[in-house]
Amino acid sequence: SQTIHQWPATLVQPVGSPLSLECTVEGTSNPNLYWYRQAAGRGLQLLFYSVGIGQISSEVPQNLSASRPQDRQFILSSKKLLLSDSGFYLCAWSAINTGELFFGEGSRLTVL
Amino acid sequence: QKEVEQNSGPLSVPEGAIASLNCTYSDRVSQSFFWYRQYSGKSPELIMSIYSNGDKEDGRFTAQLNKASQYVSLLIRDSQPSDSATYLCAVKANYQLIWGAGTKLIIKP
Repeated sequence: SQTIHQWPATLVQPVGSPLSLECTVEGTSNPNLYWYRQAAGRGLQLLFYSVGIGQISSEVPQNLSASRPQDRQFILSSKKLLLSDSGFYLCAWSAINTGELFFGEGSRLTVL
Repeated sequence: QKEVEQNSGPLSVPEGAIASLNCTYSDRVSQSFFWYRQYSGKSPELIMSIYSNGDKEDGRFTAQLNKASQYVSLLIRDSQPSDSATYLCAVKANYQLIWGAGTKLIIKP
């Protein structure tokens, strides 16, 4: 069966520091991968999606970037965090035939 | 712009009653619809997916789809306190899902 993991689960970072969140998927090949952000009490905002290695599409202009160095690995990065980057970051993969989306456990980021 | 609308709630339902959650969407060509449950502080988990008009049942959950009215709903029978969560409606549009803001459901013992 397919599983998705992301880490770290929680982190507190100062403004201006870098960020790296990592996500890996097991049990499936060539998945579509997604990074979402959920601000407190808000809906899901799609940040990036990827249909293959090295193929990244950005949905929202910001100081975040994403990379997909391997088929089942998806990384979210920032060189300098802003206060507004605080939120709950979710990695997800989708089943191509059904469109169903499956989420990792999430990474809660607080920027101080 | 494609939109998915949900009543934010909270929706308060007595334990054992039927909880009814509703969602409307703007994109007439959408073919895939999903309900997710999200507990506070946790990631969303898929409850139901529905692709055809009518009802789809899975245990205590029933999803209902009416494409003509652009309306999808989720019924939870015999509601339990553990059903208390935020329920997210999502509609597939091209490569991504369009999300509603969610309805907070509270089941009162």
